[in-house]
Amino acid sequence: AQKVTQAQTEISVVEKEDVTLDCVYETRDTTYYLFWYKQPPSGELVFLIRRNSFDEQNEISGRYSWNFQKSTSSFNFTITASQVVDSAVYFCALSEAGSSNTGKLIFGQGTTLQVKP
Amino acid sequence: DAGITQSPRHKVTETGTPVTLRCHQTENHRYMYWYRQDPGHGLRLIHYSYGVKDTDKGEVSDGYSVSRSKTEDFLLTLESATSSQTSVYFCAIGNPIDSPSTDTQYFGPGTRLTVL
Repeated sequence: AQKVTQAQTEISVVEKEDVTLDCVYETRDTTYYLFWYKQPPSGELVFLIRRNSFDEQNEISGRYSWNFQKSTSSFNFTITASQVVDSAVYFCALSEAGSSNTGKLIFGQGTTLQVKP
Repeated sequence: DAGITQSPRHKVTETGTPVTLRCHQTENHRYMYWYRQDPGHGLRLIHYSYGVKDTDKGEVSDGYSVSRSKTEDFLLTLESATSSQTSVYFCAIGNPIDSPSTDTQYFGPGTRLTVL
């Protein structure tokens, strides 16, 4: 069965600290996609990254980086030098491609990140 | 930003009344989805559509129905609202079949529904 687990419910850091948000997934499909979304206090869902199961290269985008490891079924997200504007709820999600690629997303429970000044 | 709007943005209703939420897109995406967001559960899929008049159930479909008569509109109906359906509802669009290597779901602004 497919499942996404974000074990960290809430994280609090002080500005400029680095922080890593964990995401562990379960799937039987060999082709799947992993996502991270950000939900700021205003409530909208902002797409951050999409990674397919065949691409294990780590990705960096400014202060954001993602570490995808199939061996441990993890897709962790690191924010370097955190800022107050990074305060939000972050969701990890899985989409199984398989034989019927419907694009349905399975979300983790979310991690609330609070960055204090 | 993807052209997705939801209406209404906020609604308060009473138990037992019917409620319809609307999602409208201007991106001509084939797939549309309805999710609900509840504390401790993240987002969960209610129903989705893969074309006009083509819909299927998601993880938490009980008590909900959907309709899609036009590519751009996807309606979510609560036939008889219950307090357990108090939630934030998000619509999303995507093209997983047409663009499997690049598809990403984009979300609408959400509708906050309170059932008293």
